[in-house]
Order: sequence, then C-alpha cells, then structure tokens
Amino acid sequence: QQQVKQSPQSLIVQKGGISIINCAYENTAFDYFPWYQQFPGKGPALLIAIRPDVSEKKEGRFTISFNKSAKQFSLHIMDSQPGDSATYFCAATPWGGANNLFFGTGTRLTVIP
Amino acid sequence: GAGVSQTPSNKVTEKGKYVELRCDPISGHTALYWYRQSLGQGPEFLIYFQGTGAADDSGLPNDRFFAVRPEGSVSTLKIQRTERGDSAVYLCASSLIPGGRNEQFFGPGTRLTVL
Repeated sequence: QQQVKQSPQSLIVQKGGISIINCAYENTAFDYFPWYQQFPGKGPALLIAIRPDVSEKKEGRFTISFNKSAKQFSLHIMDSQPGDSATYFCAATPWGGANNLFFGTGTRLTVIP
Repeated sequence: GAGVSQTPSNKVTEKGKYVELRCDPISGHTALYWYRQSLGQGPEFLIYFQGTGAADDSGLPNDRFFAVRPEGSVSTLKIQRTERGDSAVYLCASSLIPGGRNEQFFGPGTRLTVL
C-alpha cells in the first residue's frame, strides 16, 4: 500500500513556467516532508523539506505548500528551467521510531526551452 | 568531500545466484539506510543501521535478504538465491545522526539485473 500518493506521473512545462507536483498522505504520524530530485543514473538528492507546523516554505525558485487538515502538500517550481528536468519524489517520515523515508512514486518533469 | 559510494554500479547475475552489494557511507555518518528502487517507482525502505546494529529491518522482503555493517561504516547487502523480481536499483543512504528529519545523502545506486 502506497503511503504517499504523488501526481502527476509526468509533467511537461515550458521554460519560465510554473511546475506543480502534488502529494497526499494518510498517516497522521508523518511529521516531516522532504522533496528529492533525481537525475538519471544518480541517487536522489534533498531539494527542500517542510515540517507540518508551517504552511509554506520557500527556497529560491522552489516552494512547498502544506495543508495539514487535508493531508496534502505540493512542490512549486517557479521560472522552470531546462536544468530542472529530472524526476521529483515527495517523501514523508514519522516522528520518532522508524527513521526511514516513505516515498511517492515520482514525477518526471521535462522543461522544454 | 566524498559522498556515499556504492559498488558495483551494475551487477548482472543469474537466477539462483548469491550477490553482495557494497555501500561506503560519508565518513562520520552513524546512520545508514538501504532502499530498493524498482523501475518507475520511488525508493522503498529495506533496512536501517544505527552504528553496527540493524535498528530496523522491517523492509526486508524475505529471509533471502540480509545486510551487515560490522565496523559501523561500510555496509554490505547480501541477497541469496536471487530471483528475477529482485531486479532493481539498490540505493544506500547515510545521515550524520539518526532520525527522519536529518538529511539522508544517497549514493548513485547499484543496478541489479537477475536473468
């Protein structure tokens, strides 16, 4: 059973546009929500992360929006660039106990020039 | 500085064979994780080490899978009697201290193909 649901599976955006990826979860024990970026042949790399006590976090062109009551969070990439073309994974982890990440199924983003 | 390294980068084996996959974490990182990533999927947790001991092995799919970290740094994932369904990219990650909120640094993975 997929604990973190992610959509869309793939996304094509024009250069300069906004890319939006959505995730949803059910487990209320989750309390940390990172996003990872993965290029072909590489391991995932942490992009940005949020805790549920804030509704938004922004780092440069990347913003996470978090809706605790709806158990949903999303990644917005502003002014998308061809170099942003990669696969993006949302993830979640609970406080205490298990230390592993539960990943979404990934979104393949293509930014066309 | 050096990141997480994994060897080999690719491993092709025949059904029924035994394989070992190696992970060298970032120096000084006490926590080490193994994940498995099937084609088109996100990584799935296998096992977590805190120091030398396996603190959580709940993700190992069955008893054909085993992992060790004898000196608290390098880890080896061992798969016995490989099956075609074991084909995937096996990712290793490490973090300075344990805890889900601490950044996990991933290696490039070992692509395992079982023929």
